[in-house]
Amino acid sequence: QKEVEQNSGPLSVPEGAIASLNCTYSDRVSQSFFWYRQYSGKSPELIMSIYSNGDKEDGRFTAQLNKASQYVSLLIRDSQPSDSATYLCAVKVAAGNKLTFGGGTRVLVKP
Amino acid sequence: DAGVIQSPRHEVTEMGQEVTLRCKPISGHDYLFWYRQTMMRGLELLIYFNNNVPIDDSGMPEDRFSAKMPNASFSTLKIQPSEPRDSAVYFCASSLDPGGDGYTFGSGTRLTVV
Repeated sequence: QKEVEQNSGPLSVPEGAIASLNCTYSDRVSQSFFWYRQYSGKSPELIMSIYSNGDKEDGRFTAQLNKASQYVSLLIRDSQPSDSATYLCAVKVAAGNKLTFGGGTRVLVKP
Repeated sequence: DAGVIQSPRHEVTEMGQEVTLRCKPISGHDYLFWYRQTMMRGLELLIYFNNNVPIDDSGMPEDRFSAKMPNASFSTLKIQPSEPRDSAVYFCASSLDPGGDGYTFGSGTRLTVV
């Protein structure tokens, strides 16, 4: 079992719809969770971080964390063609300072 | 701040040659990470440093790979000898201690070994 798992996609959503991305992790002591966006040919860029159970909203993005079920999700509301990218889930355990990344979910927003 | 700076952006080399990738972290960041990204394996951590000291090199694939951080503003990743399977995008990232806000990545070096 991979430490951090994501559906590779592509997740195709119409413009204006909600894109829902999921991520599961295997290490129960994981403490910090991040979502990165990576455009084709570019480097990953941080878009959201979440540390506590529940929802965290930032503009059109909402991250959701459920530590008991070991999953974290990302919702993109009012999806725009510019949201078309690969979204990487990253998890950091309490000890140490290294992020483990999932394989990423490719999102395609169609006009 | 100029962000994390990597060089070169692209490198094409012949099998068996030595390759050196370079990284300048964000000033004040205590942690530096080297990642490799391929379609098959995704983003893999190779090694990371804290205050210029290597902390975890368990991701370095084999002895052909080595990394150094002689000072707080410079790190190198060296592959000697290079092989076609080393072809990938190599990213350097840095973060503040304890890095609660994730990392800042450089633009990456796309390495092609022919």
